[in-house]
Amino acid sequence: GAGVSQSPRYKVAKRGQDVALRCDPISGHVSLFWYQQALGQGPEFLTYFQNEAQLDKSGLPSDRFFAERPEGSVSTLKIQRTQQEDSAVYLCASSIGGLAGRSYNEQFFGPGTRLTVL
Amino acid sequence: GQQVMQIPQYQHVQEGEDFTTYCNSSTTLSNIQWYKQRPGGHPVFLIQLVKSGEVKKQKRLTFQFGEAKKNSSLHITATQTTDVGTYFCAGPSVRDSNYQLIWGAGTKLIIKP
Repeated sequence: GAGVSQSPRYKVAKRGQDVALRCDPISGHVSLFWYQQALGQGPEFLTYFQNEAQLDKSGLPSDRFFAERPEGSVSTLKIQRTQQEDSAVYLCASSIGGLAGRSYNEQFFGPGTRLTVL
Repeated sequence: GQQVMQIPQYQHVQEGEDFTTYCNSSTTLSNIQWYKQRPGGHPVFLIQLVKSGEVKKQKRLTFQFGEAKKNSSLHITATQTTDVGTYFCAGPSVRDSNYQLIWGAGTKLIIKP
């Protein structure tokens, strides 16, 4: 597609409910990132994929958070047993490059999913 | 741990006034990126600076990278309503990776009515 898309755009969950957030990156982009953005803050890194490999999940706040990208394109971020502190905007970004060289490529962001946990 | 700090957190200006945001890193950076996020929107890439002392211009926007590659600034001349939003700087993590960016908290540009 023309850009990164995410669904749903808004999600309201009751505390304890499981949620799944989807990201469709730009076709052909090797790298995919998930971020969490709290109100008034910058994006906080959650996890990184190079193609289908999850190379870094150090930013995931707890073992309730799980991400996958099984075919190296679409990615899903799953949050189990949601808590109120999980309320945030979850941003997905993709970039064209991978680990080649030491250059950092421009990241293209999706519109985000605003998760509200009641 | 590694930090990227931005000041100020907010800046209120009259339309037509200038705006500047400053970014300071706790570590030397190989490069720095700037993004703009409109209200209710998502971050959009503006520019990447790589060289020590580099200055780049995009119309009314001027970006600078410090000589020590630990600080950067974005200056907007004669602000317009279309400039409203939050401006973020982001620098690479010093961990052995070449993908993770550490983000500043952003500077929100507000145009006074």
